[in-house]
Amino acid sequence: DGGITQSPKYLFRKEGQNVTLSCEQNLNHDAMYWYRQDPGQGLRLIYYSQIVNDFQKGDIAEGYSVSREKKESFPLTVTSAQKNPTAFYLCASSIAGDEGYKPQHFGDGTRLSIL
Amino acid sequence: AQKVTQAQTEISVVEKEDVTLDCVYETRDTTYYLFWYKQPPSGELVFLIRRNSFDEQNEISGRYSWNFQKSTSSFNFTITASQVVDSAVYFCALRGYNAGGTSYGKLTFGQGTILTVHP
Repeated sequence: DGGITQSPKYLFRKEGQNVTLSCEQNLNHDAMYWYRQDPGQGLRLIYYSQIVNDFQKGDIAEGYSVSREKKESFPLTVTSAQKNPTAFYLCASSIAGDEGYKPQHFGDGTRLSIL
Repeated sequence: AQKVTQAQTEISVVEKEDVTLDCVYETRDTTYYLFWYKQPPSGELVFLIRRNSFDEQNEISGRYSWNFQKSTSSFNFTITASQVVDSAVYFCALRGYNAGGTSYGKLTFGQGTILTVHP
């Protein structure tokens, strides 16, 4: 079945440590997204990529980095500069181009906590 | 700037009651798309419906119905005869379509409404 796989499901970070969240999709979608979900704040866009080797900052990109070397993969690194990383992270993908009308498909999420 | 407001943080109903989830949005784009997603306890967001800004027809899908009113910038979601399985967080979202503009491609979410249906 086609879909989006996020791993790990739970992740713990030590102070000063960088951690990487994995997102893989086999839907052949060009566009991929990372969102952060905090209680009572809905989802906020961290980064998005509409094509391989290109990505754009979202609303809360500070303290995060991404890469898009392959169409099916869009890993997110939470750096030590992100002082409040505890949240639920969701990866999504969609058809690019005239994508306004195409829904985004989401993974199951990764819950990140600080040790 | 785009904004989506779901004023109801939490709603609690008893099974078989009807429930309406409110969504109000703001955008400067002349063309835009509205979405509703359901987030069950497993965490994954499940797409429920999309509505184009130029199509104000209401839609019904089984027990679900959506009322889009451009004049009041609202896109409300009603569940008829609610069931325990409807318990989830529901998100309303907006995406503008202003090619070259900053809103292009971005999906703006509301804060979400936690719906709990008791047996």
